[in-house]
Amino acid sequence: GIQVEQSPPDLILQEGANSTLRCNFSDSVNNLQWFHQNPWGQLINLFYIPSGTKQNGRLSATTVATERYSLLYISSSQTTDSGVYFCAVETYGGSQGNLIFGKGTKLSVKP
Amino acid sequence: ETGVTQSPTHLIKTRGQQVTLRCSSQSGHNTVSWYQQALGQGPQFIFQYYREEENGRGNFPPRFSGLQFPNYSSELNVNALELDDSALYLCASSFEGSNYGYTFGSGTRLTVV
Repeated sequence: GIQVEQSPPDLILQEGANSTLRCNFSDSVNNLQWFHQNPWGQLINLFYIPSGTKQNGRLSATTVATERYSLLYISSSQTTDSGVYFCAVETYGGSQGNLIFGKGTKLSVKP
Repeated sequence: ETGVTQSPTHLIKTRGQQVTLRCSSQSGHNTVSWYQQALGQGPQFIFQYYREEENGRGNFPPRFSGLQFPNYSSELNVNALELDDSALYLCASSFEGSNYGYTFGSGTRLTVV
């Protein structure tokens, strides 16, 4: 099956710093989403981005489908950005609804 | 627009018991998926329901079953609970599958003792 690898696994930043999180996937996908899981467990949808570039405030994401990777950029980080960031993909021909998650990047933003 | 809501938020059950978790999909969404997230892991797909039928299933045994109702809400039932079933159970809804992405609820944290 498809492999989803995220890097780095852990990231510690000072408030105000910028960061880039990476997601590599091993096969073609028809859906790619970035999620932020807060300390209470809720998965918050950041981007639906199977290809192209999107921006939402301090966050932006780029997926290069032909090269099978996606990047999540966080600028001017804040302590509220702390949590785990997951990349998840859904493949052509896969079981309906089967989002396959990476292991996540745990981000800690220090004041 | 209401989001995905799940109930209960927390639950403690004894090994061997049965449990039912509930999910109301986001307004306008007609597809519901369930995921299990063990501590420190990413969520794993259990199954998906569309038009009240299961149309996709992950690698989970038959004691994990579900329902979808005409209003698109859903239930996850787990029989013969095992200690390893302790996890965060997440429900996600979407419109017509994944064409517009999935929206997740806050989850039900199940502890089996």
